[in-house]
Amino acid sequence: AQSVTQPDIHITVSEGASLELRCNYSYGATPYLFWYVQSPGQGLQLLLKYFSGDTLVQGIKGFEAEFKRSQSSFNLRKPSVHWSDAAEYFCAVANTGFQKLVFGTGTRLLVSP
Amino acid sequence: SQTIHQWPATLVQPVGSPLSLECTVEGTSNPNLYWYRQAAGRGLQLLFYSVGIGQISSEVPQNLSASRPQDRQFILSSKKLLLSDSGFYLCAWKGQTNQPQHFGDGTRLSIL
Repeated sequence: AQSVTQPDIHITVSEGASLELRCNYSYGATPYLFWYVQSPGQGLQLLLKYFSGDTLVQGIKGFEAEFKRSQSSFNLRKPSVHWSDAAEYFCAVANTGFQKLVFGTGTRLLVSP
Repeated sequence: SQTIHQWPATLVQPVGSPLSLECTVEGTSNPNLYWYRQAAGRGLQLLFYSVGIGQISSEVPQNLSASRPQDRQFILSSKKLLLSDSGFYLCAWKGQTNQPQHFGDGTRLSIL
């Protein structure tokens, strides 16, 4: 069965510093991978997705993620964090048949001034 | 463009009372529909999903049920709420092809 691990529960980054959020997945075939962001009390917003092709995918709000098959990873990055990026971030992989998503437990990003 | 609506945004209910949360999608047809629960400080737990009218898949045994009376309407219900039903409930939809899920704004449910 598919699974997603986000090893960092909380991360604190200074405003203007770079960010990398880790995501490791378990899936036998080529995965469909996603990153979502959730602001407090809100629903989830899709940041970016990887289906195939270029392993570096660009998303909204200046985020990007790199798919590394050899490491089973799909880490999210941003070169310069803004205070408005403080939120919870979820990595997800689609199951076989693409009917469901398997989510990681999330990483809460705190941005310090 | 497609939109998803959930209501109510906030709900406070006594233990033992019934529940009905509604979710509707506009601008698409025959979507897959999903109900998730997010407990405080926890990740997302998939409760139910539906690939068509009247077709409901339950992911976990619990005090809740779901129905899809119309193509773009998904309802989460309970006959008698428990304290453990408190949480943030999210509805989501996706197209029939390999596309991402899109989420509503959620319902905060508090059980007293």
